[in-house]
Amino acid sequence: QSALTQSRSVSGSPGQSVTISCTGTSNDVGGYNYVSWYQKYPGKAPKLMLYEVNKRPSGVPDRFSGSKSGNTASLTISGLQAEDEADYFCCSFAGGSFAGGGYLLFGGGTKLTVL
Amino acid sequence: QLQLLESGPGLVKPSETLSLTCTVSGASINSNHYWGWIRQPPGKGLEWIGSIYYIGTTYYRPSLRGRVTISIDTSRDHFSLHLTSVTAADTAVYYCAREETTYGDYGSWGQGTLVTVSS
Repeated sequence: QSALTQSRSVSGSPGQSVTISCTGTSNDVGGYNYVSWYQKYPGKAPKLMLYEVNKRPSGVPDRFSGSKSGNTASLTISGLQAEDEADYFCCSFAGGSFAGGGYLLFGGGTKLTVL
Repeated sequence: QLQLLESGPGLVKPSETLSLTCTVSGASINSNHYWGWIRQPPGKGLEWIGSIYYIGTTYYRPSLRGRVTISIDTSRDHFSLHLTSVTAADTAVYYCAREETTYGDYGSWGQGTLVTVSS
């Protein structure tokens, strides 16, 4: 099973919006609405930012939003702030149900630089 | 407040078994959640290893099946990872985490522990 495809880097200025994409196949991203996004700072544990494509856990600012079209999911961060500079990873369920041999796939990660 | 803490050797020899334990505090491990292991090799992305349901059902990354075992001890509020026949490719920071309500929504994480495979 291959990792989901993410662009290696993206950048934006404070206040701008950026979109990070995550491309998979019909067996993962395209087949299920179980796409989540994680923010990760170096040396720290990942933090869940979105789940089920576009749902935000409590405490995550509404500047973070998600969508999906076909086999590609997207994370959009609006009103960029300096503290948004981090690595972002997508994650998707794949391959059926857990009981049927399903598993989780992560993307390779995208480094967001706030200029 | 839920806390997870990984523990285990930081150095494992090639061909040996990597064993880690995740101790859960602040909430019962005997709850309706999946508990998972995720790793990050140096300079690379996150990689899901597998999950265990609180009743003991396990699900593993296809490429690791045959080498990986995840177990749970609800009486001691911990779950464990065993990875056999390790190579340098298994060198990574290993995280334990709890899925909150659905596939892939790991809302609570341990701090991570670096395991190096080297002779």
